[in-house]
Amino acid sequence: EIVMTQSPATLSVSPGEGATLSCRAGQSVGTNLAWYQQKPGQAPRLLIYHASARATAIPGRFSGSGSGTEFTLTISSLQSEDFAVYYCQQYNNWPYTFGQGTKLEIK
Amino acid sequence: EVQMVESGGGLVQRGGSLRLSCTASGFTFSNYWMSWVRQAPGKGLEWLANIKKDGSEKYYVDSVKGRFTISRDNAKNSLYLQMNSLRVEDTAVYYCARDTSGTDPPGAYWGQGTLVTVSS
Repeated sequence: EIVMTQSPATLSVSPGEGATLSCRAGQSVGTNLAWYQQKPGQAPRLLIYHASARATAIPGRFSGSGSGTEFTLTISSLQSEDFAVYYCQQYNNWPYTFGQGTKLEIK
Repeated sequence: EVQMVESGGGLVQRGGSLRLSCTASGFTFSNYWMSWVRQAPGKGLEWLANIKKDGSEKYYVDSVKGRFTISRDNAKNSLYLQMNSLRVEDTAVYYCARDTSGTDPPGAYWGQGTLVTVSS
């Protein structure tokens, strides 16, 4: 199975600032990479798919980039509702696999 | 509006069985692969199984292969997960998720989850 590694594990950022989250795949997944946001007690919410396409109703401050094995989720001008756990996931090969998550916390 | 509602979770003893259900609405169920994903308490996400639109293909992650069975009833817009030989480490919130249609990505919609607790 493809191992997905996210960094950092925790990121402390002040509201209004930007954040960059990284995800590395153990082998190439092309652009079959998604990013999810999860808040406590809620199901994950799809933010980005195909590495850079924003899902329905996702604000423009969320953007994704990368291909192959290196991917980035960038959040510009953090809002209070953006502080959550973020997961990357590859769906290029079965089983689909997730990274371990990056917790984005308020500084 | 796309909705998926899971049911069937609860407390079960180690070695026992449980059947989860997921009822979908707001989209053409038979046009989509469907999946089950779980999350152990305080842990990350694990994509467990998926099933083709017509049920003819099923795939499982190694940790549940041979113990869990995914199935669907397109006439009832329903997805199921039969879980046998349950282990303490199967304790988790179980989500159904809409998988791909071939063009849509997997994971665009999720249910609210149902908690399965396996006691020793």
